[in-house]
Amino acid sequence: DGGITQSPKYLFRKEGQNVTLSCEQNLNHDAMYWYRQDPGQGLRLIYYSQIVNDFQKGDIAEGYSVSREKKESFPLTVTSAQKNPTAFYLCASRMTGTTNEKLFFGSGTQLSVL
Amino acid sequence: GQNIDQPTEMTATEGAIVQINCTYQTSGFNGLFWYQQHAGEAPTFLSYNVLDGLEEKGRFSSFLSRSKGYSYLLLKELQMKDSASYLCAVRDPRSGSARQLTFGSGTQLTVLP
Repeated sequence: DGGITQSPKYLFRKEGQNVTLSCEQNLNHDAMYWYRQDPGQGLRLIYYSQIVNDFQKGDIAEGYSVSREKKESFPLTVTSAQKNPTAFYLCASRMTGTTNEKLFFGSGTQLSVL
Repeated sequence: GQNIDQPTEMTATEGAIVQINCTYQTSGFNGLFWYQQHAGEAPTFLSYNVLDGLEEKGRFSSFLSRSKGYSYLLLKELQMKDSASYLCAVRDPRSGSARQLTFGSGTQLTVLP
């Protein structure tokens, strides 16, 4: 079955540590996105990528980094520079060039600080 | 930029009808989406409106008025499983082909027996 897989479901970060969240899709979608969701708030865009080897900053990119070496994969690294990383992280993808271009989401990763 | 407003919480009774409103202020508009999100899970697509009017899909309908910057999601014959957060999202025309979405904070709907 096609879909987006995020792992792990739960992740804990120690002080000063970098952690990487995985996102893989087999939908053959060109564009991929990372969103952060805090309780009672909407989804905020961290980074997005339209094609392989290219990505752009979203609204809250500071303290995060990404790569897009393969079409299927868009990992997010939460660096030690991100001082408030506790949140629910959602990866999404979409097909470009269609009429409604809806986003398909992964099941999310809950990141907490130890 | 975009500003999207939704009520924070709503409560309704099983079998009833509920309307969740969304207003937006934008410099441009390329479509409005509604998503459903159960706690700790992925948002799932419900509806898309780009032209004025009502789009009906089973128990769910979505309405758009571009001149008023207003949309609503109508849920009929409410079921307990409809308890979830409902996210309104507007496509940002600034992003060109990237077609980013700006999300509202979501409306937490609780369905009571």
